[in-house]
Amino acid sequence: AQSVSQHNHHVILSEAASLELGCNYSYGGTVNLFWYVQYPGQHLQLLLKYFSGDPLVKGIKGFEAEFIKSKFSFNLRKPSVQWSDTAEYFCAVNLYNNNDMRFGAGTRLTVKP
Amino acid sequence: EAQVTQNPRYLITVTGKKLTVTCSQNMNHEYMSWYRQDPGLGLRQIYYSMNVEVTDKGDVPEGYKVSRKEKRNFPLILESPSPNQTSLYFCATRDRSSSGYTFGSGTRLTVV
Repeated sequence: AQSVSQHNHHVILSEAASLELGCNYSYGGTVNLFWYVQYPGQHLQLLLKYFSGDPLVKGIKGFEAEFIKSKFSFNLRKPSVQWSDTAEYFCAVNLYNNNDMRFGAGTRLTVKP
Repeated sequence: EAQVTQNPRYLITVTGKKLTVTCSQNMNHEYMSWYRQDPGLGLRQIYYSMNVEVTDKGDVPEGYKVSRKEKRNFPLILESPSPNQTSLYFCATRDRSSSGYTFGSGTRLTVV
């Protein structure tokens, strides 16, 4: 079955630490890839997306993600996290020109000041 | 300002009492969708609509209905709510499949 896996359920980091959140998917075709962020009590906001071109994409707030097709992965990274990055992060995938967008279960990030 | 408006933000209701959660977008998008968010399960799609009068089931449609009579509105209807429908609900819209979603602010529903 087509699915999206986020390996870490809860990540705790200190400020200035580097972040990498894993995301793997099982779709076989051409995909569009997304990372969303949900701050406490808020709705999901788009952090970054990949649909073609350079596999290293940069998003808002210093986040970036790398699409590695051979590994079916789209990991999210940030060199130095801040307390304000405390949130839940969701990876999402949909097939090119398909309306079926699948979300991972989410990774909760806690950044300690 | 582009936005997706959901109402109400919070709702507590009793089992079996019909309710409607409204969703309206001002971006003229054809595609709209409803998701529910539950801890450890991420977001699961309930229903989606590709255009006016065109709706289809997502992964978890049981117990829900939708309608799309106008492009901007996509209400979610629970005809006979049950406690297992207690959840956080999001309406979302997007332009193309390569576009990200714009989400509404969410509706936290509790069915007792």
